[in-house]
Amino acid sequence: DAGITQSPRHKVTETGTPVTLRCHQTENHRYMYWYRQDPGHGLRLIHYSYGVKDTDKGEVSDGYSVSRSKTEDFLLTLESATSSQTSVYFCAISGQEGHEQYFGPGTRLTVT
Amino acid sequence: AQSVTQPDIHITVSEGASLELRCNYSYGATPYLFWYVQSPGQGLQLLLKYFSGDTLVQGIKGFEAEFKRSQSSFNLRKPSVHWSDAAEYFCAVGHGSGNTGKLIFGQGTTLQVKP
Repeated sequence: DAGITQSPRHKVTETGTPVTLRCHQTENHRYMYWYRQDPGHGLRLIHYSYGVKDTDKGEVSDGYSVSRSKTEDFLLTLESATSSQTSVYFCAISGQEGHEQYFGPGTRLTVT
Repeated sequence: AQSVTQPDIHITVSEGASLELRCNYSYGATPYLFWYVQSPGQGLQLLLKYFSGDTLVQGIKGFEAEFKRSQSSFNLRKPSVHWSDAAEYFCAVGHGSGNTGKLIFGQGTTLQVKP
């Protein structure tokens, strides 16, 4: 299994508070991704990174920001959490453009 | 627009029966194709992938998939389903250049296995 960890694994937070999710990899892969998974919507790409300090938006990026200051870590921040951001968040990594992605175990976030 | 369609949201099969999960894609270039499986509460696990060459690819857990360019399909098959195969299955498509590695995922098919 690819070395990907996500922290925290579960979090409950209140509307309006900032939240940061962390993805850490030990594979030295160039590409990293953040997805959210919701019933009826499948997997939707939030943001991705194609190198240190190189990031771009995915299809559902509003309300989220990311940072990647080193190869192994990709942070997802909800600046002011809303109930619509209650979801399961997955991080994924890939070593080559367009090739298979390997997924982390997920973070279940509940915004009350 | 690029898209992936999994026509079956939910499928139920009996244990020991054969399985076929459908995947159709719309993609302008020659695609890279993937099938993933997700057990409840888990992340996605790669079952198999197709980049080029032999259109019938073998994966883990006894799964195989066939790429049919003329039908824009990449269907997943298994000759004999086990109860442990109950999970959600996702088809995905990517491309090797100019797309920063993004994959497009289908909506998923939930497989239920009857004893």
